[in-house]
Amino acid sequence: ETGVTQTPRHLVMGMTNKKSLKCEQHLGHNAMYWYKQSAKKPLELMFVYSLEERVENNSVPSRFSPECPNSSHLFLHLHTLQPEDSALYLCASSRRGQSYEQYFGPGTRLTVT
Amino acid sequence: AQKITQTQPGMFVQEKEAVTLDCTYDTSDQSYGLFWYKQPSSGEMIFLIYQGSYDEQNATEGRYSLNFQKARKSANLVISASQLGDSAMYFCAMREGSSNTGKLIFGQGTTLQVKP
Repeated sequence: ETGVTQTPRHLVMGMTNKKSLKCEQHLGHNAMYWYKQSAKKPLELMFVYSLEERVENNSVPSRFSPECPNSSHLFLHLHTLQPEDSALYLCASSRRGQSYEQYFGPGTRLTVT
Repeated sequence: AQKITQTQPGMFVQEKEAVTLDCTYDTSDQSYGLFWYKQPSSGEMIFLIYQGSYDEQNATEGRYSLNFQKARKSANLVISASQLGDSAMYFCAMREGSSNTGKLIFGQGTTLQVKP
């Protein structure tokens, strides 16, 4: 099993739909992250969970709702999204601590129509 | 103010030659970490190399080395003997020691194309 997996890989949804993105890590890490990557922009950190507790929320609109039921799983629940929310959503995990690198999943390419 | 700056939106290099990708950073922390990631067209971010602010030697990982110049606040990535598979987007990132969340701050990225 690869380190960090994300499903689905591609998602097209209407503005009134509700969907969820799933991330799973098999590395024994205790911190997980959601990033948004829009075209021609740096990666934007959305949420950080450390030991299953949300420790950072980077002014993300409430139409994005994260959930971390345990240290291996992270969800991003989506509802009433806007076309500008179309982007690549990347999940990452790491050990807590300064020198530990983050391992990323393959991302979910989201298109909002 | 931008914390991580990558001034080269795009770079070309001939196969088998070396290339340097620039990265400068800004922090008031004494303790921090610097990372380089590669993102192929498939989208996945691949960790390449790490440099700690207190590390006296430049980090190396195979064909990748990090030219760390602390006084100039630069952390350039050097790829030796470029291969066609090195064509990708490259991101420099920093984790500040004062951050208790472990978050990474990313630069805008540099697109590298390796020519045969």
